Amino acid sequence: EDQVTQSPEALRLQEGESSSLNCSYTVSGLRGLFWYRQDPGKGPEFLFTLYSAGEEKEKERLKATLTKKESFLHITAPKPEDSATYLCAVQGGGSYIPTFGRGTSLIVHP
Amino acid sequence: DADVTQTPRNRITKTGKRIMLECSQTKGHDRMYWYRQDPGLGLRLIYYSFDVKDINKGEISDGYSVSRQAQAKFSLSLESAIPNQTALYFCATGGQQNQPQHFGDGTRLSIL
Repeated sequence: EDQVTQSPEALRLQEGESSSLNCSYTVSGLRGLFWYRQDPGKGPEFLFTLYSAGEEKEKERLKATLTKKESFLHITAPKPEDSATYLCAVQGGGSYIPTFGRGTSLIVHP
Repeated sequence: DADVTQTPRNRITKTGKRIMLECSQTKGHDRMYWYRQDPGLGLRLIYYSFDVKDINKGEISDGYSVSRQAQAKFSLSLESAIPNQTALYFCATGGQQNQPQHFGDGTRLSIL
């Protein structure tokens, strides 16, 4: 059974204070690891897909990295508009359905 | 226009009522999903469908049923609503060939 654990559950940062969110996973044959952003009252919005260890993807202040056991979402010099819940999901070779973590709620104070 | 549209966006109803939530998509995807989201519990899969003739139960299907009326339409029904079904409900499409899913903006359902 695929498992995903995200930490921390909640994170408060000051504007400009860089940090990282963690997604630890166990999966049989990783097919893809997905990061989503979810704003209050909205559905999750796709950010990145990572397929193999060592891969990195970047978008504005966000950078996602992947190892064989975990993924990090690095946030550089965050702004208040980066406040959201960030979800991680994995799809393994033994499942047709992605498994989601419970998310990290990020608040960036001005 | 949104790629995945859910109706209604909000619904308040009483225990015992039958409720239908609807989802339509314009992305042309074969796969569609229904999730519920509760604080602290994350997204939990209710039902999923890989094509019009395929319906599968997710981890929490008890008390729910679905209908795939067309490739673009997937509806979720609560036959006799109960208060612990109060939650945010999301429809999603995609996910084939290790591609990401695309979500609607959800239905906030309250059962009194």
